[in-house]
Amino acid sequence: GIQVEQSPPDLILQEGANSTLRCNFSDSVNNLQWFHQNPWGQLINLFYIPSGTKQNGRLSATTVATERYSLLYISSSQTTDSGVYFCAPGDGTSGSRLTFGEGTQLTVNP
Amino acid sequence: NAGVMQNPRHLVRRRGQEARLRCSPMKGHSHVYWYRQLPEEGLKFMVYLQKENIIDESGMPKERFSAEFPKEGPSILRIQQVVRGDSAAYFCASSLRGMNTEAFFGQGTRLTVV
Repeated sequence: GIQVEQSPPDLILQEGANSTLRCNFSDSVNNLQWFHQNPWGQLINLFYIPSGTKQNGRLSATTVATERYSLLYISSSQTTDSGVYFCAPGDGTSGSRLTFGEGTQLTVNP
Repeated sequence: NAGVMQNPRHLVRRRGQEARLRCSPMKGHSHVYWYRQLPEEGLKFMVYLQKENIIDESGMPKERFSAEFPKEGPSILRIQQVVRGDSAAYFCASSLRGMNTEAFFGQGTRLTVV
């Protein structure tokens, strides 16, 4: 199956800083989503982005499918951005599942 | 339009008991996925179902675990004779037309086996 690698595994920021999270994947994909798991365990959809660039407020994401990576940008970080960010590409062969990376643990300090 | 609903949110079972986890997909969604998250880990795929059919169960343990998605009612993930290693968060997701469309997750069921 597809392999997913996220970096960095941990990130500590001061409020107001910007950051870039990276997701590399090993195979062609028909789907890719970014999720935020908040400290209460809820999984929140951030982006559905199999290719191209999207922006939503302080967050934006870019997927370059031909080079097998995706980036999540967080600008002007806030303490509420803390949590784990997961990248989940959809297996290009079966299309029947999202495969999650191990996540980036983000801590934003006031 | 309610999101994906899972219940119960928390479930405590003694070793050897059965656990039943329920998932109601978003309105209009007929594709359901179950994932398991062990502490400090990412989510691992378990099973993919459409109404009345299991499409992919390659992530399901071979014994004690089963899943169904009947024509009427929620999807059920059933764990028989639970053991301590089954303690985890179980998440359900639904999508409109399979995993090439956006998936939405429920809040999860946190199972604790004592």
